[in-house]
Amino acid sequence: QVQLVQSGAEVKKPGSSVKVSCKASGGSITNFAMSWVRQAPGQGLEWMGRIIPMLGLTYYAQKFQGRVTITADKSTSTAYMELSSLRLEDTAVYFCARGLRVGPTLDWGQGTLVTVSS
Amino acid sequence: EIVLTQSPGALSLSPGERATLSCRASQALGGTYLAWFQQKPGQAPRLLIYDTSSRATGIPDRFSGSGSGTDFTLTISRLEPEDFAVYYCQQYGSFFYTFGQGTKLEIK
Repeated sequence: QVQLVQSGAEVKKPGSSVKVSCKASGGSITNFAMSWVRQAPGQGLEWMGRIIPMLGLTYYAQKFQGRVTITADKSTSTAYMELSSLRLEDTAVYFCARGLRVGPTLDWGQGTLVTVSS
Repeated sequence: EIVLTQSPGALSLSPGERATLSCRASQALGGTYLAWFQQKPGQAPRLLIYDTSSRATGIPDRFSGSGSGTDFTLTISRLEPEDFAVYYCQQYGSFFYTFGQGTKLEIK
């Protein structure tokens, strides 16, 4: 059973960037799709985008296009999500999730709290 | 981008009752690419149903999914105390996935 282990909580200033990592322990990411989903305090789930490492393809939700970059290192089974030009409303828990190339997000990381505060 | 609208926003029921949650898509999904998730406070979501009606590993058979086109339903036949949580639908029929806004299932 794969375990997705995310990097720790971050506190950032408005206008800065944050990069969150997600390492697959006990499994690979190469033949899967790695998605990033965020959840603002008391709010619902918001899909941000995904990467298919084997194909090098990325897809981003329109809302985050131009501000988010999702990458993957197949050699270390680690996915990354970088969000730039941070705003106060980007404060949220950011989850990574693994799924089939066409399929739901099956395995989830524990979440990383990103707080944007001046 | 496909928009998913869940109803009701909140549902208040008692253990033992039947719960019916709805998810409507803004356009017909390609295939049966609709999933349901359960989320409890402080936890990551857990996959319950995929491909509209297939139960994920370890999910009890009181959970069932149905639907096609633009209208999908999650049914919990007899509510257990541990079923009270927030439920989300997710579509993966396009390159760009989306979630519904969630239905909160509360104990009456």
